[in-house]
Amino acid sequence: ETVLTQSPGTLSLSPGERATLSCRASQSVSSKFLAWYQHKPGQPPRLLIYGTSTRATGIPDRFSGSGSGTDFTLTISRLEPEDFAVYYCQYLGPFGRGTKVEIK
Amino acid sequence: QVQVVQSGAEVKKPGSSVKVSCEASGGTFKSYDISWVRQAPGQGLEWMGGFVPIVGSANYARKFQGRVTITTDESTSTAYMELRSLRSEDTAVYYCASANIPAAGGALDIWGQGTPVTVSS
Repeated sequence: ETVLTQSPGTLSLSPGERATLSCRASQSVSSKFLAWYQHKPGQPPRLLIYGTSTRATGIPDRFSGSGSGTDFTLTISRLEPEDFAVYYCQYLGPFGRGTKVEIK
Repeated sequence: QVQVVQSGAEVKKPGSSVKVSCEASGGTFKSYDISWVRQAPGQGLEWMGGFVPIVGSANYARKFQGRVTITTDESTSTAYMELRSLRSEDTAVYYCASANIPAAGGALDIWGQGTPVTVSS
């Protein structure tokens, strides 16, 4: 089973800043199956990115995904107030432990 | 657009079982679309099991093998997750999620509202 390690655990940023979230796999994986989700308290998770870089329907273009092999990145180009949440990467089922993006 | 509605909150005793349902409306889903994910208080998302595209069949996380069963009734577009031998650590919100985007590698784009399960004596 591939283990996903997300870093940092917490990212403290201000609205308007750029967020860069990392997801590292324990072995080389197929980019086709790497997805990112946003999760806010009291709500179900929301799919942001699938296939490493394809935005899901309705996801703003400030969200982008990239990577290959073992290293993947979710970038939020300019943080909006509604973007402060926990973000998870996922590969063929299991999730990483998440990165919390909090307001600085 | 498919929406999924889960069954209501449950309170269970340690050692018992819980069965959570997830019904699709506005469309149908197939058994191969569904995964179950939980979040314990203060913890992250934990995939319990579901369809794994590269495997081509349902699969369970190692942690839950032997204790969880995921089934679907395609005639009613309802999926079920049964977890047995409950312990306090199973207290969590349980989500069903569906993969509906073609060629998206099983990414979970439609989620139920979550079912809180409390295990307490």
